[in-house]
Amino acid sequence: RKEVEQDPGPFNVPEGATVAFNCTYSNSASQSFFWYRQDCRKEPKLLMSVYSSGNEDGRFTAQLNRASQYISLLIRDSKLSDSATYLCVVNKNTDKLIFGTGTRLQVFP
Amino acid sequence: DTEVTQTPKHLVMGMTNKKSLKCEQHMGHRAMYWYKQKAKKPPELMFVYSYEKLSINESVPSRFSPECPNSSLLNLHLHALQPEDSALYLCASSQADRGTYEQYFGPGTRLTVT
Repeated sequence: RKEVEQDPGPFNVPEGATVAFNCTYSNSASQSFFWYRQDCRKEPKLLMSVYSSGNEDGRFTAQLNRASQYISLLIRDSKLSDSATYLCVVNKNTDKLIFGTGTRLQVFP
Repeated sequence: DTEVTQTPKHLVMGMTNKKSLKCEQHMGHRAMYWYKQKAKKPPELMFVYSYEKLSINESVPSRFSPECPNSSLLNLHLHALQPEDSALYLCASSQADRGTYEQYFGPGTRLTVT
């Protein structure tokens, strides 16, 4: 079993739609959780850190469920510019991040 | 300002060449990383420097040699590479003494080995 699992997609959604991505992790001792977005042929960019209480940044909401070892990202009112690959990332120890394989999102007009 | 810079942006090298990739950050971060990323795959960790000391080497072949001259700079020396080493090489940095360990990536060097 992979340490961090994501549905690879692609998720094809129209502009304005709400879309949710899920991610599960296997190491119950994981401490920190992140969502990164990566555009084609570009570097990953930090989208959000994910906190136990859940957190929101504009149209983006992240949730963490430690009991189920599950992280989610909700994007409301999708824009064309949201098209990218979304990487779920888990901190295994102080220096090492574990990346999921990414979920590809394509928003169409 | 969360900026990590990398040079060069693109590099083409033969299997007998020696070249170096450079990375710089001015955020006062104490941990710096090298990753390799192939198309449609997530980044794979290669090396970690923490407080200028090599703390993780993910069993990377010796044809890749990292160097951390100071807390702001990270180099990756390349020698006798193979075509399968062609990839995007990403540098990242983080505040090693913070609890969240968010990493910030540079734009990468796209390497082609011929």
